[in-house]
Amino acid sequence: AQSVAQPEDQVNVAEGNPLTVKCTYSVSGNPYLFWYVQYPNRGLQFLLKYITGDNLVKGSYGFEAEFNKSQTSFHLKKPSALVSDSALYFCAVRAALNSGGYQKVTFGTGTKLQVIP
Amino acid sequence: ETGVTQTPRHLVMGMTNKKSLKCEQHLGHNAMYWYKQSAKKPLELMFVYSLEERVENNSVPSRFSPECPNSSHLFLHLHTLQPEDSALYLCASSQDQRRSNEKLFFGSGTQLSVL
Repeated sequence: AQSVAQPEDQVNVAEGNPLTVKCTYSVSGNPYLFWYVQYPNRGLQFLLKYITGDNLVKGSYGFEAEFNKSQTSFHLKKPSALVSDSALYFCAVRAALNSGGYQKVTFGTGTKLQVIP
Repeated sequence: ETGVTQTPRHLVMGMTNKKSLKCEQHLGHNAMYWYKQSAKKPLELMFVYSLEERVENNSVPSRFSPECPNSSHLFLHLHTLQPEDSALYLCASSQDQRRSNEKLFFGSGTQLSVL
């Protein structure tokens, strides 16, 4: 079965410090991996995705994520955190199959990022 | 704004009421989705529509009834709900649900409270 694990309910980081939000996944075959961010009272907003190619993916607002196939991980990173980065972050996986049918997206439980001024 | 609009933003209803959630997308997408978001749980996919045809029904109780009259509009009709149905209901759209590498565009959600 397809699954996503975000082991940390909350991550606290001081403004200006690097941040990492962890994600591991399980899927049959090759994965497509996504990060979404949810600000208070808003829906989820796409940050970045890994499809193929370079393992380091760059996305919106200075975020990047590293795909590690051997560790089945896709951790979200940013070199220098901003207070405005405080939000709920969701990792998601989808199987890279081409059967023509619907391929379900599986989301993690979310990690709350708190950036402390 | 993501181009996906949901109304109402907040809804309080009793267990015997009937209400509907509305979603509208202005992106020209062919696929629309309903998700349920509860605290500390993964997003739960409820329904998927592609070109107004339901392609996924994720074992959702019959008290939730979706309707997709055209590719721009999606409704979720609610009746005889239970308190455990209280959650944030999110609508999303994508260009083509068959493409696994596509991102989803989400609305801001309807916060539903069932008393």
